[in-house]
Amino acid sequence: AQSVTQLDSQVPVFEEAPVELRCNYSSSVSVYLFWYVQYPNQGLQLLLKYLSGSTLVKGINGFEAEFNKSQTSFHLRKPSVHISDTAEYFCAVTSANNVGNMLTFGGGTRLMVKP
Amino acid sequence: EPEVTQTPSHQVTQMGQEVILRCVPISNHLYFYWYRQILGQKVEFLVSFYNNEISEKSEIFDDQFSVERPDGSNFTLKIRSTKLEDSAMYFCASSVRQVNTEAFFGQGTRLTVV
Repeated sequence: AQSVTQLDSQVPVFEEAPVELRCNYSSSVSVYLFWYVQYPNQGLQLLLKYLSGSTLVKGINGFEAEFNKSQTSFHLRKPSVHISDTAEYFCAVTSANNVGNMLTFGGGTRLMVKP
Repeated sequence: EPEVTQTPSHQVTQMGQEVILRCVPISNHLYFYWYRQILGQKVEFLVSFYNNEISEKSEIFDDQFSVERPDGSNFTLKIRSTKLEDSAMYFCASSVRQVNTEAFFGQGTRLTVV
């Protein structure tokens, strides 16, 4: 079984500042990792994913994340945020050999970008 | 861009009533999923479905729940006798493969049981 911990439930930040949203996971097997974003009153949109290869992955809207196996982390970063980045961000994990492709989600981090 | 479509966007039902939530997955996807998100809580896996069979289900997915692919395009979640605690946002998702790929989510159906 896997678990995901998003250490910050809310992250306030000023526009154009950098931001890091933290994600740590626990798993006894190899995993795939994902970040999804949920804008107000909308569904879940994939930001980026780590399946294999380079540990630094780039996603949409200028976001990137780095997979750190030794620290079991997959933190999300953006060098300069916009007001439009205000949303809920979810880190998710699935076992690399999971038959049902079940995603386990973290509790979410609400990013609040202030002008 | 292809997307997963869910209807209705919001459903209100009385406790004890049956509800059917509908989803149209992306057309070339073969694996289908339902998740739910109770207000203020984590997104939780309910069930995965492939080749007209349930692949995996969580403890939440008890006998009150069922899934079906009644035709070549729709994927439904039925709750037989709704309870107040079934109130949540229900997300449908689909993927082209079982592993080494991402799931694409719909916009969700907000179910309110009164």
